[in-house]
Amino acid sequence: DTAVSQTPKYLVTQMGNDKSIKCEQNLGHDTMYWYKQDSKKFLKIMFSYNNKELIINETVPNRFSPKSPDKAHLNLHINSLELGDSAVYFCASSQDPLAREQYFGPGTRLTVT
Amino acid sequence: SQQGEEDPQALSIQEGENATMNCSYKTSINNLQWYRQNSGRGLVHLILIRSNEREKHSGRLRVTLDTSKKSSSLLITASRAADTASYFCATAENNNDMRFGAGTRLTVKP
Repeated sequence: DTAVSQTPKYLVTQMGNDKSIKCEQNLGHDTMYWYKQDSKKFLKIMFSYNNKELIINETVPNRFSPKSPDKAHLNLHINSLELGDSAVYFCASSQDPLAREQYFGPGTRLTVT
Repeated sequence: SQQGEEDPQALSIQEGENATMNCSYKTSINNLQWYRQNSGRGLVHLILIRSNEREKHSGRLRVTLDTSKKSSSLLITASRAADTASYFCATAENNNDMRFGAGTRLTVKP
């Protein structure tokens, strides 16, 4: 059984488009995260939600808007995609926001052309 | 900004040898974690060491933490080809944000 799942796995789209990436966890965790991994493999946190409420919002363009309909889901919507948005986006979850063990999804490779 | 920085960036060894990777960080931390990432896959949690611990073992993994030097090391003993992956350290700061480094790319040759 998949613990943290993301869809789609690959996403190729043109500049200016709007796209969404979905994330679901079936671990019963309270906290979910979105990370961006760039071409140099740096993994940077973008957002963190605890019980559907935003607790971390790093310096991310407001074109990125996370939405958490319930604590098992944290979707990432991106407006007006730019070339620099190309990266692998990882969703993760943890039991609580105290930065203990995080469980990662398989990643979504976004390519903006 | 990046917190953990792994060293070396890449490491290539023969099967059966030990692999040692290091991580340095800058601020006070609550804990430090090591993760593995196979090519094209998500990260998998390996081990967590708290700031008041100095050493921890898990199977063939041994992690040390030196808070005075703000550094940690991950030792993989008797490496196997399946250990080929990127290894990341992640630090949890006092505000509980997790920070990852760029990783060490380990190649274990059969």
